[in-house]
Amino acid sequence: KNEVEQSPQNLTAQEGEFITINCSYSVGISALHWLQQHPGGGIVSLFMLSSGKKKHGRLIATINIQEKHSSLHITASHPRDSAVYICAVGGYQKVTFGTGTKLQVIP
Amino acid sequence: DAEITQSPRHKITETGRQVTLACHQTWNHNNMFWYRQDLGHGLRLIHYSYGVQDTNKGEVSDGYSVSRSNTEDLPLTLESAASSQTSVYFCASSVGQSGTGELFFGEGSRLTVL
Repeated sequence: KNEVEQSPQNLTAQEGEFITINCSYSVGISALHWLQQHPGGGIVSLFMLSSGKKKHGRLIATINIQEKHSSLHITASHPRDSAVYICAVGGYQKVTFGTGTKLQVIP
Repeated sequence: DAEITQSPRHKITETGRQVTLACHQTWNHNNMFWYRQDLGHGLRLIHYSYGVQDTNKGEVSDGYSVSRSNTEDLPLTLESAASSQTSVYFCASSVGQSGTGELFFGEGSRLTVL
């Protein structure tokens, strides 16, 4: 079993829909990261959080430390949100990455 | 603006050749990392450095080496390229060690070993 599991692996949504991507982890962490990777592009950090909730524009990230679970929400999705979203957990001397959720938002 | 750049962005080489991928950051971060990204796997750590003259092996370090002679640069060398090293390579830097600081990634270097 992977230390970081994301679901779903693939997601197709209509423009305007509310989207949720989930991340579960099995190790102790210092921080959890949400990253975005556009096709053929680099990787951009969206959030780093260790408790509670963070919001940036239409993106919201939450984490429940007790349940070892985090969610990334996208409100009013747009085709430009189409990308791979990667969850990563930072612990002692290492960061472990999930395999990503590929999101496609259709106009 | 501070940034992290990788070169080359694309490289094709032959089995057995030595290859060096460059990584240069202007964030003045002490911590730098090299990852490889392959289908079906999350990013996997190759080598990392917490400062000048400090280098450490990651989970997939066999066949790779790094050196850190200054804060800005962490070149990754494949001593004798193998087809299994065909991958996309990402360099990253952060303020915090390991997972405790925001990560800044380069654009990636796509390496094909024939």
